[in-house]
Amino acid sequence: AQKITQTQPGMFVQEKEAVTLDCTYDTSDPSYGLFWYKQPSSGEMIFLIYQGSYDQQNATEGRYSLNFQKARKSANLVISASQLGDSAMYFCAMPMDTGRRALTFGSGTRLQVQP
Amino acid sequence: DTEVTQTPKHLVMGMTNKKSLKCEQHMGHRAMYWYKQKAKKPPELMFVYSYEKLSINESVPSRFSPECPNSSLLNLHLHALQPEDSALYLCASSLSVGLAGVNEQFFGPGTRLTVL
Repeated sequence: AQKITQTQPGMFVQEKEAVTLDCTYDTSDPSYGLFWYKQPSSGEMIFLIYQGSYDQQNATEGRYSLNFQKARKSANLVISASQLGDSAMYFCAMPMDTGRRALTFGSGTRLQVQP
Repeated sequence: DTEVTQTPKHLVMGMTNKKSLKCEQHMGHRAMYWYKQKAKKPPELMFVYSYEKLSINESVPSRFSPECPNSSLLNLHLHALQPEDSALYLCASSLSVGLAGVNEQFFGPGTRLTVL
């Protein structure tokens, strides 16, 4: 079974600085993908970025990038130039198994951006 | 339209009530999901529908009854719930359950359920 670990319950960052949110995973599947979602206090889960295990390059989407280290089984999210609106819960997730696409989530990291 | 809608946003019900949560998407997605999220916890899968058929039930108690009337709609019927069932109920959809690649799930805003 897949396992996702996020070891940072909470993080603080100053506005306009970069921040890294950690995610490690465990899977026996040879092919897999990793997702990051943002959940503001309103509750909606917002898809941020995806990394496939066979992707040659680290994924980037605007201010979001993934520091993917396959050998270490880590997929850390880097947010550059933090904004106040980035304050939210961030979840790392991956499909439960290759046959189904339902997601299993890490415990999440609460990010607070300070002015 | 890249949106999943859920109604109601908030619901308060007694333990003897019957209520339903509704989820709708018009993205042509053929996989739809119900997740339950307790406060300060990650979402946990409840059900998966693939092509309007229930494909996964994660050992959810029978007081939760899902229904998929068509490819755009997903309901969750609630009956005789317990106070510990109070949570945020999230609906999601994706293109399919079997595709490799991104196939990200789009989530609705959730229904915050309180059982008294």
